[in-house]
Amino acid sequence: QSALTQPASVSGSPGQSITISCTGTSSDVGGYNYVSWYQQHPGKAPKLMIYEVSNRPSGVPDRFSGSKSGNTASLTISGLQAEDEADYYCSSYTSSSTWVFGGGTKLTVL
Amino acid sequence: EVQLVESGGGLVKPGGSLRVSCAASGFTFSNAWMSWVRQAPGKGLEWVGRIQSKTDGGTTDYAAPVKGRFTISRDDSKNTLYLQMNSLKTEDTAVYYCTAGEGRYWGQGTLVTVSS
Repeated sequence: QSALTQPASVSGSPGQSITISCTGTSSDVGGYNYVSWYQQHPGKAPKLMIYEVSNRPSGVPDRFSGSKSGNTASLTISGLQAEDEADYYCSSYTSSSTWVFGGGTKLTVL
Repeated sequence: EVQLVESGGGLVKPGGSLRVSCAASGFTFSNAWMSWVRQAPGKGLEWVGRIQSKTDGGTTDYAAPVKGRFTISRDDSKNTLYLQMNSLKTEDTAVYYCTAGEGRYWGQGTLVTVSS
């Protein structure tokens, strides 16, 4: 199972919006509504930000939103804040009854 | 409060074995599907495998790179998850995290280093 494809890096200024894409296949992202997004700060464990494509766990700001179209899922962060600077990973359930992660995207807040 | 505490990491030679553990508290462990995720130094996250709750069948699934070498098990009486790693390779060097709640809860991770 190949890793999902994410851009290596994205950047934005405080207050702006950014979108991170996550591209898979019909055997993972496109075939199931089980896409999650994680935020990871350096030296810390990942934190779940979005599950089942577009749902936010309690405590996650509504500035974070998720969507999916075909084989590509997206994470949008609006009203960027300095503390959003982190690595972001998508993951998806697959037809092999396994999960696969994306390669990760480093978000820089300028 | 949900807590996941991994332990048992360390230095092991290529071809060797190691078992890491994850002690869980703050939720009904026996009902939870549990997973292991690893992260090599400076690299991204990699799903290792998952075990269902016994009531849901207790089935395990593994990522291709570890299938046949790693075994996930659980002791519901001790609220503990295990990862038995055999035939270790240098590329297995990583921080190993246990997770619960389909990624909602993560431990702090335990470092496994495979080196001669």
